[in-house]
Amino acid sequence: GAGVSQSPRYKVAKRGQDVALRCDPISGHVSLFWYQQALGQGPEFLTYFQNEAQLDKSGLPSDRFFAERPEGSVSTLKIQRTQQEDSAVYLCASSLDAWLVGLNTEAFFGQGTRLTVV
Amino acid sequence: ELKVEQNPLFLSMQEGKNYTIYCNYSTTSDRLYWYRQDPGKSLESLFVLLSNGAVKQEGRLMASLDTKARLSTLHITAAVHDLSATYFCAVTSTGNQFYFGTGTSLTVIP
Repeated sequence: GAGVSQSPRYKVAKRGQDVALRCDPISGHVSLFWYQQALGQGPEFLTYFQNEAQLDKSGLPSDRFFAERPEGSVSTLKIQRTQQEDSAVYLCASSLDAWLVGLNTEAFFGQGTRLTVV
Repeated sequence: ELKVEQNPLFLSMQEGKNYTIYCNYSTTSDRLYWYRQDPGKSLESLFVLLSNGAVKQEGRLMASLDTKARLSTLHITAAVHDLSATYFCAVTSTGNQFYFGTGTSLTVIP
């Protein structure tokens, strides 16, 4: 597709429920990022993939958060046993090449999935 | 941890006026980004500044970078309603992430 696509756009989960958020990056993009954006805040880094390899998961807030990108394209962010503090917009971004290598400087963001935990 | 601060957090300005948004960051970084976000929408890239003294302009927006002062500015000239949005600056360091500021919510009023 022309841009980064995320689904669903909105998700309401009951506390304790597991959720899965999907990201379709721009075709051929090597780098993929997940960010969490709380209401009124700037996005905060969760994890980074280079192709299928998860090179950085330092931003994942707990072991309830898990991300994968098994074939180096589509990625899924899974949150187990959701809590109210998980309510946020989850943004996915992709970049053409390995991040910060050479002239690769641009990342393109999807519209996000708004997760509300009730 | 790299900290990024923006000010003001909220800005209400009249159409036709000029104003500047400031972005300070705490440690060395050689790449600074400005993004725009409309309500319910994603982040739209405005500028990427790669070196000290870099200045870029697009329409009524101009961004500059002073890496020695660890400061970037986003200057708005003769504001129009269409510029109403939230503006984020972000920097990168040696890791794999952007560090975002808290954003500046801009409202342009007639």
